[in-house]
Order: sequence, then structure tokens, then C-alpha cells
Amino acid sequence: SQQGEEDPQALSIQEGENATMNCSYKTSINNLQWYRQNSGRGLVHLILIRSNEREKHSGRLRVTLDTSKKSSSLLITASRAADTASYFCATAQGGSEKLVFGKGTKLTVNP
Amino acid sequence: DTAVSQTPKYLVTQMGNDKSIKCEQNLGHDTMYWYKQDSKKFLKIMFSYNNKELIINETVPNRFSPKSPDKAHLNLHINSLELGDSAVYFCASSRLPSAGGAGYTFGSGTRLTVV
Repeated sequence: SQQGEEDPQALSIQEGENATMNCSYKTSINNLQWYRQNSGRGLVHLILIRSNEREKHSGRLRVTLDTSKKSSSLLITASRAADTASYFCATAQGGSEKLVFGKGTKLTVNP
Repeated sequence: DTAVSQTPKYLVTQMGNDKSIKCEQNLGHDTMYWYKQDSKKFLKIMFSYNNKELIINETVPNRFSPKSPDKAHLNLHINSLELGDSAVYFCASSRLPSAGGAGYTFGSGTRLTVV
């Protein structure tokens, strides 16, 4: 069953602006991951945050996790046209760490 | 070197045919997966193997049969193809547990079109 729900479904911004995407989930998790998918391509792992972590940074990416609210956010700072892609959150559940994906946010960064 | 490679990249076939998609990873990961992405971009897990052993088997028609000859390969065979099987199928691999931070590595996908 679907776990993560991203919000918004689509986001259009200008180059240089920040982009924030949110994800909510329903059950307990081992960790939460964010992936990027360029049109017609496979998914690329961006960042993983463990259930006992609250914030993580990687380059221009900042991820927060609030397990009490079962939500996460992905912030991309100083966006570039090359950041245009769909972004998915995925929650890892159980011993098998099955990754359950949300529907994704389609981000368009206009030059 | 491609880390997770799938073949073929495109597959167009008629209803009722049987087809296979192959996947290989050279990352030394012990776990491999098949995901299906529908036309609305929704990704759903189908199967997972850990060291050649099936560990995840979601509610998938039994026309779909995965096979893992060794931990570097996971193939997907589909019998009696139906129009609704048209989708992009992604193979992925990972090291368990993933808390080390690496996540899954995905292949570039196989776009299956059933006509």
C-alpha cells in the first residue's frame, strides 16, 4: 500500500529560489529516503535520514524528519534549471526494509 | 561501468506473449528488487531477493515470476502479457541494512508496451 504522500504534486519556481517539498507517511519507519527522477530516467538516491535523526544536509539539500507528525521535508536551496525533475520520498519499513514510495512532486525550475 | 543494468530498455510485444527482462548489478549488493512504475509515475514494489532468497512478494499476478540465479542477477519473466502490464519496470539493488546511508541504486528502467 502507498505510504508517502508528497505535497505539492507540482511546483514551479525561478532559478535561484528555494524549493520545499513535503512528505507525510502513515506507519512506523526505519528510515526515510528522497529520490530524484529525471524524465525518462531511473531514480537517483539523494539522501537518507534515519528515524532517530531530525535533520540532515547534503550540499544544497536539507531534509528534516518529524516522527511525531510522521512527516518530512526536502529543501533545495538556490535551485538550478538542472534540478527540474520529479522528487519522491520513500519510507523503509520492517526487517526487509521494503521501500514504499509516494506519488512524487514534479519540480520545474525556470531559467 | 553501469552499476545496475537492465535489458532491454524498450520492449514492445503483443498480448498473450511471454517476455523476460534481465537485471544485473556490479555493486556487490546482497538485495535486489523489481518495481513497476505506472503511467501516473506511481512506483510499486513487486519482488525482492536477498542472496537469492525471495523476501518480498507483493500482491502481483502469478503471471509474473522472478528468478535470481545469483545475488548479482534478478530477472523477471512475464507470461501471457496483458494490456495492463504496460509500464516501466525498474530493477534496483541495495545493501541491507540501509541505515548506512546509501539507499537503493536503480537501473534506467525497461519500458514495456503491450499492444
